[in-house]
Amino acid sequence: DAGVIQSPRHEVTEMGQEVTLRCKPISGHDYLFWYRQTMMRGLELLIYFNNNVPIDDSGMPEDRFSAKMPNASFSTLKIQPSEPRDSAVYFCASAWDGYYNEQFFGPGTRLTVL
Amino acid sequence: KNEVEQSPQNLTAQEGEFITINCSYSVGISALHWLQQHPGGGIVSLFMLSSGKKKHGRLIATINIQEKHSSLHITASHPRDSAVYICAVSNSGGGADGLTFGKGTHLIIQP
Repeated sequence: DAGVIQSPRHEVTEMGQEVTLRCKPISGHDYLFWYRQTMMRGLELLIYFNNNVPIDDSGMPEDRFSAKMPNASFSTLKIQPSEPRDSAVYFCASAWDGYYNEQFFGPGTRLTVL
Repeated sequence: KNEVEQSPQNLTAQEGEFITINCSYSVGISALHWLQQHPGGGIVSLFMLSSGKKKHGRLIATINIQEKHSSLHITASHPRDSAVYICAVSNSGGGADGLTFGKGTHLIIQP
């Protein structure tokens, strides 16, 4: 398996623009997580899905952020409108539903909002 | 919400030294994860443990559930071990759960 795939790897946009980040989890994994990493706050959970259903979105900063998982092999994280404080690295991770549910991280998307 | 504290924040050591990184948390957990992040950003899971001790190569992770404390040890450290090591906890009683992370320990191993 290719591991967790994220696109784009880098995104530079201007304030006010819509940004869409994409994630393909490892095939067979039941859980998908979106995390954000900044210098100030470190790594934080934004939202996670189990079997395509959002389970916990309490980490989503505000209404400008939304996440979807239309099927088991694809998820999006959308920011509309984007702001400079959204600049961060966004990681997607997946895990299977079993006793040993280690999380496998994607390479991340580095987002810069000017 | 669980509070995860790591120490030290930064650690510089000479090649060959025995390294210990500590992690404590405030609320009971279902599992504790040790992650490694190299410059350039990729995150790799090193260990996931809920009790006792695990060993993989030169890496050893231990956890004391009663004391809410875990340690990550590196034996015979090497410059390629230079990375940020992150402790994270999950709270769910079953299945996977979103992680709560420590701030990380920035380790530099000098030749």
